[in-house]
Formats: sequence, structure tokens, C-alpha cells
Amino acid sequence: DAGITQSPRHKVTETGTPVTLRCHQTENHRYMYWYRQDPGHGLRLIHYSYGVKDTDKGEVSDGYSVSRSKTEDFLLTLESATSSQTSVYFCAISESGRRSMNTEAFFGQGTRLTVV
Amino acid sequence: GQQLNQSPQSMFIQEGEDVSMNCTSSSIFNTWLWYKQDPGEGPVLLIALYKAGELTSNGRLTAQFGITRKDSFLNISASIPSDVGIYFCAGLDTSGTYKYIFGTGTRLKVLA
Repeated sequence: DAGITQSPRHKVTETGTPVTLRCHQTENHRYMYWYRQDPGHGLRLIHYSYGVKDTDKGEVSDGYSVSRSKTEDFLLTLESATSSQTSVYFCAISESGRRSMNTEAFFGQGTRLTVV
Repeated sequence: GQQLNQSPQSMFIQEGEDVSMNCTSSSIFNTWLWYKQDPGEGPVLLIALYKAGELTSNGRLTAQFGITRKDSFLNISASIPSDVGIYFCAGLDTSGTYKYIFGTGTRLKVLA
């Protein structure tokens, strides 16, 4: 299994509070991604990173921010949580790019976030 | 946002039957991936496809990269109860930086 750890695994928080989810990898992969999974929508990309301090928005980035200060950690922050952000959040890593012929993405176990 | 059309959305099959599902896109992809997700877990990679027309097997699973590069197919032969789960296709978008675009999933239920 790829070395990806998400924390926490479960969290319940109140509307309006800030929340930070952490993704930690031990694979030294260049790319890291945050997805959310909701019934009927599959996996939707929130933000991704293509290197330390290099991040970009995905298709559902409103209300979320990210930071990557070192290769192994990618943080997802909900500045002011809303009920619509109740979801399961997955982190993924990949070594896609010119440095590698392998373009598979590997996923963490997920974080179940409930905003009440 | 960009998303892949995956069908069927769900299916019930009898144990021992073969299963087919597919994924289509309006965009061309250079890599197609198929994942399986069990309840409470993250998606796990089943098969990766890198070339148009490529046919790749992994045990009872066979996947094909469509010749137009806009579709992919996954077949499961002789299904067993542990095949239950959600199957996702994904295309790798390399038009800018590398992003994985996922289908909405096919939920498979196997009746013993």
C-alpha cells in the first residue's frame, strides 16, 4: 500500500468553525490531491499541488484553501465550515509527469467530516 | 466541471455472471485508470491503461482503452460476492498540470 495517512479519520464540527485536514505521504511523490466524495457525484477535485508551495484549484474549490510547505504534507482548510461541506474527503498522491512513466494515483483512507 | 460519464450507475448481478461497465468523455485522455472502492475505504487501483486500443487484464478483470481515447471499458468475469463495491473510472488530464478526472461510479451488487 502507498504510504498515505489522512488525519483525522472522523470529525464532527460546528457551522462557522475552521477545520484543517491533513494528508501525509512517505512516498516522496510530487503531486498531491484533495477530493470530496458525495452520493451521486463521485470524486470531485477540490485543490491539488504539483510541488512545494505550488497549488491550484480544482472544480469545487470555493470555501477551501490548501497549503503545502513540504513535500510530504498537504493540508486542506475549511475557513468557516458549512453544512454543505459535510462529506468524505480523500487525499491522493501521484508521481505523474516527465519524471515518471507511471501515472497512477493512490488514495488515502479518507476523512469523514460532519458539519452540524 | 469536467466529469466522465460512467454507466451503468448501479447493477445487481448473480454470482458467476460477467459484468461490463464503461466510461465516456468529451475530452481525450492519455491515461485511463479503473478503481474499486469498498465501504469505508479509499479507492484502490485495479488497472491502468496507457495506450489507445490497449487491452489489459488483472485476474478476472479486463479493461480496454478506447481507440478514440475518449472511452474505456471494464469487464469482470465470473463475478463473486467480494466484487461488491463501487467502481470508478478516471482519466488523466495533462492539458496543464496533471489532474485526475473521475466518473460518478458504478455500484455493483452481487447476489449469491
